Amino acid sequence: DTEVTQTPKHLVMGMTNKKSLKCEQHMGHRAMYWYKQKAKKPPELMFVYSYEKLSINESVPSRFSPECPNSSLLNLHLHALQPEDSALYLCASSQDGGDYGYTFGSGTRLTVV
Amino acid sequence: AQSVSQHNHHVILSEAASLELGCNYSYGGTVNLFWYVQYPGQHLQLLLKYFSGDPLVKGIKGFEAEFIKSKFSFNLRKPSVQWSDTAEYFCAGNTGFQKLVFGTGTRLLVSP
Repeated sequence: DTEVTQTPKHLVMGMTNKKSLKCEQHMGHRAMYWYKQKAKKPPELMFVYSYEKLSINESVPSRFSPECPNSSLLNLHLHALQPEDSALYLCASSQDGGDYGYTFGSGTRLTVV
Repeated sequence: AQSVSQHNHHVILSEAASLELGCNYSYGGTVNLFWYVQYPGQHLQLLLKYFSGDPLVKGIKGFEAEFIKSKFSFNLRKPSVQWSDTAEYFCAGNTGFQKLVFGTGTRLLVSP
């Protein structure tokens, strides 16, 4: 299995809703990432988990809450989002520091209404 | 600050034309460089990567890139593009542990 699987593929949520994005990989990668990609922009790093511990938080607002239940799973919990948070949320994984490359999932397209 | 820049934001080519997309990085030390492609409505796919060794790197789909340390460049090339190469191309770099930084992307349109 050489894929990163993200669910759901599309999500529409209201500003008072609570939802979660899920990411899964079975490549034995020990680092997992959340990126945010706005339309016609490059992906921007949000969080990095290394060996199931949060290692990088790029000053992301607290309405985004990451969780890494085990080495294969990564969640992003969403609460009280704003319309400007609408974007494509990408999950990625890598062996350790990413020296051997990163594998990206197909993303969750989130719309906040 | 570490950064990756792509100066060609939009490129339009006819089929069979040669392609070169520019990428420059601003890291001072050891750097790992990548080119990703994102086809319309699809996820990022790795085209090629450079870590060390031979500065000419060959990737998938006939793409190659050359790492020129003196110019801080990692340009992407393809001798003859096809309509199916229409996509957005991102250069990315990694120096800090686990911190992959993307350039702003180049949108390539190949006309048949």
